[in-house]
Amino acid sequence: NAGVTQTPKFQVLKTGQSMTLQCAQDMNHNSMYWYRQDPGMGLRLIYYSASEGTTDKGEVPNGYNVSRLNKREFSLRLESAAPSQTSVYFCASRPRQALGTDTQYFGPGTRLTVL
Amino acid sequence: GDSVTQMEGPVTLSEEAFLTINCTYTATGYPSLFWYVQYPGEGLQLLLKATKADDKGSNKGFEATYRKETTSFHLEKGSVQVSDSAVYFCALREAGNTPLVFGKGTRLSVIA
Repeated sequence: NAGVTQTPKFQVLKTGQSMTLQCAQDMNHNSMYWYRQDPGMGLRLIYYSASEGTTDKGEVPNGYNVSRLNKREFSLRLESAAPSQTSVYFCASRPRQALGTDTQYFGPGTRLTVL
Repeated sequence: GDSVTQMEGPVTLSEEAFLTINCTYTATGYPSLFWYVQYPGEGLQLLLKATKADDKGSNKGFEATYRKETTSFHLEKGSVQVSDSAVYFCALREAGNTPLVFGKGTRLSVIA
């Protein structure tokens, strides 16, 4: 049981390049989330998927797209990277609320630098 | 909208000192409240939570009480250790399938 996994761990891009951050969970969770963490800003929600087949914008969605590929996987895509997207990105998942727990589980993060 | 405000760091304490990290919130309903901890180079882990007023969450010597009258959820520990050095995040979630809302985090450094 690996929990929430993210790839890659580190990435350096040039301005204008595109890339996809991968996230997978093996806990059969319904909801999945993408956050970015910047110094002094805490965690800010980019996009989330309350259940398979649905996605919604969070606080800072501009410049990103997401795909909930199946129940396990939730990817985050940067179509044209900008230096302002330099950040640490965290994926998280949560089980269905009816199961009586609302604990959110986080992956180890992807550190992205855009030059 | 909902928001969480926590004391700014960094906080530097000597080993065995008493810790308080203040957290207050603004919410439209009756949220669940959480403290998450992030150790260096890692993702966030749930430290403790409380789901209704006057509940006390506790874990690893840390405690926090859900105070509806003061809209607060302050984190306390009686005797900190060097291994408690980390960033601590206060968060809330409204009822229903809504995402967590986080505070900006407080960095704690404990020196021997």
